[in-house]
Amino acid sequence: SQTIHQWPATLVQPVGSPLSLECTVEGTSNPNLYWYRQAAGRGLQLLFYSVGIGQISSEVPQNLSASRPQDRQFILSSKKLLLSDSGFYLCAWTNRGYNYGYTFGSGTRLTVV
Amino acid sequence: RKEVEQDPGPFNVPEGATVAFNCTYSNSASQSFFWYRQDCRKEPKLLMSVYSSGNEDGRFTAQLNRASQYISLLIRDSKLSDSATYLCVVNLISNFGNEKLTFGTGTRLTIIP
Repeated sequence: SQTIHQWPATLVQPVGSPLSLECTVEGTSNPNLYWYRQAAGRGLQLLFYSVGIGQISSEVPQNLSASRPQDRQFILSSKKLLLSDSGFYLCAWTNRGYNYGYTFGSGTRLTVV
Repeated sequence: RKEVEQDPGPFNVPEGATVAFNCTYSNSASQSFFWYRQDCRKEPKLLMSVYSSGNEDGRFTAQLNRASQYISLLIRDSKLSDSATYLCVVNLISNFGNEKLTFGTGTRLTIIP
């Protein structure tokens, strides 16, 4: 069966520090991968999606970036965090074309202080 | 206009009652529709897909009206465990086969004993 792993679960980082969040999927190949952010009391905002290794599409301009170095690995990064980067970061995957919705990882709760 | 709009609630409903949520979407080319459930500080989880003919899963019934661009979720005989935020989700598949889910901000439901 397919599983998605996301870590760390909780992170407190100072303003200006770098960020690296990792997400891996098991039990499938060539998934579509997504990074979402959910700010407190707000909806999910799509940040990046990837349909293959090295292929990244950005939905909103910001100081975050994403990379997909391997088929089932998706990384969210920042060189310098801002206070506004605080939020609940969720990785998700789907099998392309199956239209079954997304499966989310358990999320990383990031607080920038 | 938001791509997906929901009444944020909160809905406070006595146990055993029936409750209905509504959602509208703006893109008439949207191709598939879902309801997700999100518990406090957890990741969203797929509750059910929404089909054109309407569909039922136990106490849950989903309806889609493409002409009005309207989706609904009905919960019968509500349980305490139904307390959560319910997210209306719309999927737009591009010409390249890329899926992109757009989430509503959610409707918060609390079932009262």
